[in-house]
Amino acid sequence: QVQLKESGPGLMQPSETLSLTCTVSGFSLTSNGVGWVRQPLGKGLVWMGTIWAGGSTNYNSAVQSRLSISRDTSKSQVFLKMNSLQPEDTGTYYCARWDYDGTLDYWGQGVMVTVSS
Amino acid sequence: DIQMTQSPASLSASLEEIVTITCQASQDIGNWLAWYQQKPGKSPQLLIYGATSLADGVPSRFSGSRSGTQYSLKISRLQVEDPGIYYCLQGYSAPWTFGGGTKLELK
Repeated sequence: QVQLKESGPGLMQPSETLSLTCTVSGFSLTSNGVGWVRQPLGKGLVWMGTIWAGGSTNYNSAVQSRLSISRDTSKSQVFLKMNSLQPEDTGTYYCARWDYDGTLDYWGQGVMVTVSS
Repeated sequence: DIQMTQSPASLSASLEEIVTITCQASQDIGNWLAWYQQKPGKSPQLLIYGATSLADGVPSRFSGSRSGTQYSLKISRLQVEDPGIYYCLQGYSAPWTFGGGTKLELK
């Protein structure tokens, strides 16, 4: 079955670079895109970026200058890197699969990231 | 950017009551609209895709509809397991945007 799982450090310091990994199973990264969604504590969902099946990417303009999404198809992993972290980057980060109906259909469990000195 | 205005922000309803949540898109997005339910501490779960199609395993009391650029999620008979926060997502164009969420509670 389709599964996604995020992993990465839970606590970061301001100005550091965040690195998260999304490991997927049950589908191929060359068939479906994977998106990253952030949810600040107690707040709503914000799309951050997507890497598509063909390898191209789209980023939210609010974080575009700091964000990079890449993948290793042989390992079924998608990577998020975001530099110059600030406390407002604190939240839960989800990866999710894009299906052919333009929907994020399967989501990982999320990883909580706290940015604090 | 396409804005998704979701309403109400919160509502309280009784068991077996009919509940309707709406999302207004700032421009035409066709049927590129999905609805999600999120429970505390959990990831969002897909309920409706393509504005009106029920996702696998979702109870038939959930339904989606569209009127122009207004989209609605209806719960026909509220059940004890339905409280949570509901979000819409437009999948028409980047940047993909969510509605602000509707917190549904049991009265």
